[in-house]
Amino acid sequence: DAGITQSPRHKVTETGTPVTLRCHQTENHRYMYWYRQDPGHGLRLIHYSYGVKDTDKGEVSDGYSVSRSKTEDFLLTLESATSSQTSVYFCAIRKGQGEGETQYFGPGTRLLVL
Amino acid sequence: AQSVTQPDIHITVSEGASLELRCNYSYGATPYLFWYVQSPGQGLQLLLKYFSGDTLVQGIKGFEAEFKRSQSSFNLRKPSVHWSDAAEYFCAVGANSGGYQKVTFGTGTKLQVIP
Repeated sequence: DAGITQSPRHKVTETGTPVTLRCHQTENHRYMYWYRQDPGHGLRLIHYSYGVKDTDKGEVSDGYSVSRSKTEDFLLTLESATSSQTSVYFCAIRKGQGEGETQYFGPGTRLLVL
Repeated sequence: AQSVTQPDIHITVSEGASLELRCNYSYGATPYLFWYVQSPGQGLQLLLKYFSGDTLVQGIKGFEAEFKRSQSSFNLRKPSVHWSDAAEYFCAVGANSGGYQKVTFGTGTKLQVIP
């Protein structure tokens, strides 16, 4: 158990509305990540954070923004949701350093954009 | 750039039979390699990982994987599959990139276990 929770776990929204997903960790890890999972694509990195207020883009960041005002919370915002953003979203934290560093995942949020 | 290929999208095995899931990676240096498992509706759980040293790595739930540099492979094995092993399995390769760990995932192999 990596001490990660995600909320909401399921959400249905309409095209054009903003949506915010929350990732919460209890173990004070510096690095946090947001991925999306789609059939045939595996997991793809959206954004990551390396500290409070320190974030950077991943490979599929268009249409998404993130914020990290506290170590424990990493928020993912879909500024204006589109049907192509229907997906399962996973948050991850990084444990360890150097050779030992490993990512651990939250339970996911299933988002449907109508 | 690193990449991972899982050539089998779907595999069906009988309960009690042996299992091997294939994973090939592309990366210029020595990679960090991972296998994760995902049960339906769940998050990804780490099965095992390789960073260096012994090329045969033991993981949880009776799984093992072998790193073969000459073949750029990191295949996952289990000698006797249980019905509860039915899930989707993801291979991943990690590398440090400007201070953060970039992890690239394969597209997954779905395992079906039949009685």
